[in-house]
Amino acid sequence: DIQMTQSPSLLSASVGDRVTLSCKASQNIYKYLNWYQQKLGEAPKLLIYYTNSLQTGIPSRFSGSGSGTDYTLTISSLQPEDVATYFCQQYNSWNTFGAGTKLELK
Amino acid sequence: QVQLKESGPGLVQPSETLSLTCTVSGFSLTSYGVNWVRQPPGKGLEWMGTIWNDGSTDYNSALKSRLSISRDTSKSQVFLKMNSLQTEDTAIYLCAREAYYDDGTYRYFDYWGQGVMVTVSS
Repeated sequence: DIQMTQSPSLLSASVGDRVTLSCKASQNIYKYLNWYQQKLGEAPKLLIYYTNSLQTGIPSRFSGSGSGTDYTLTISSLQPEDVATYFCQQYNSWNTFGAGTKLELK
Repeated sequence: QVQLKESGPGLVQPSETLSLTCTVSGFSLTSYGVNWVRQPPGKGLEWMGTIWNDGSTDYNSALKSRLSISRDTSKSQVFLKMNSLQTEDTAIYLCAREAYYDDGTYRYFDYWGQGVMVTVSS
């Protein structure tokens, strides 16, 4: 089974900061990677699919990149409403989610 | 609009069977797959299994021996049954629609239900 490791597990940043979240797969997943945002008490929300495609309605400050085993979600200018936990998901082989990165305001 | 809603018992006894229903609207189960995902309190997401638009199923290998997913297309409902429940199965159980495009290049969970909390306890 493919394991997904997200880092850091907790990230504190200020409004306006550029924020980078990491997701590493245990083997090559050929860009078959999605990112979700989950706010407290809510269901996950799709942000990015196939590594770098922005889901409809998601602000352009969110972007994704990566290849092979290493992937990144970037928020170009952090907003208060971005406080949430972010999960990556690989779908190269079945589905596996990372453990999440909790993003909070400093 | 697309909606998914989970329902089922909030409390299950250890060793018993969990039965949950996901009722969907705004799309057809013969056009999209539906997944079950669970989230233990304060923890991450675990994919449990998928029922595809053709009725075939895939399961997480760690749960396969205990899990069954089925559907009733006439009622727009997807069912989850999992037996031999233990305390570690306590979680929020969510169903999610899977979009599948370009021969599988693009696959993602685009709509989710709010989830149902299931506690396994005597």
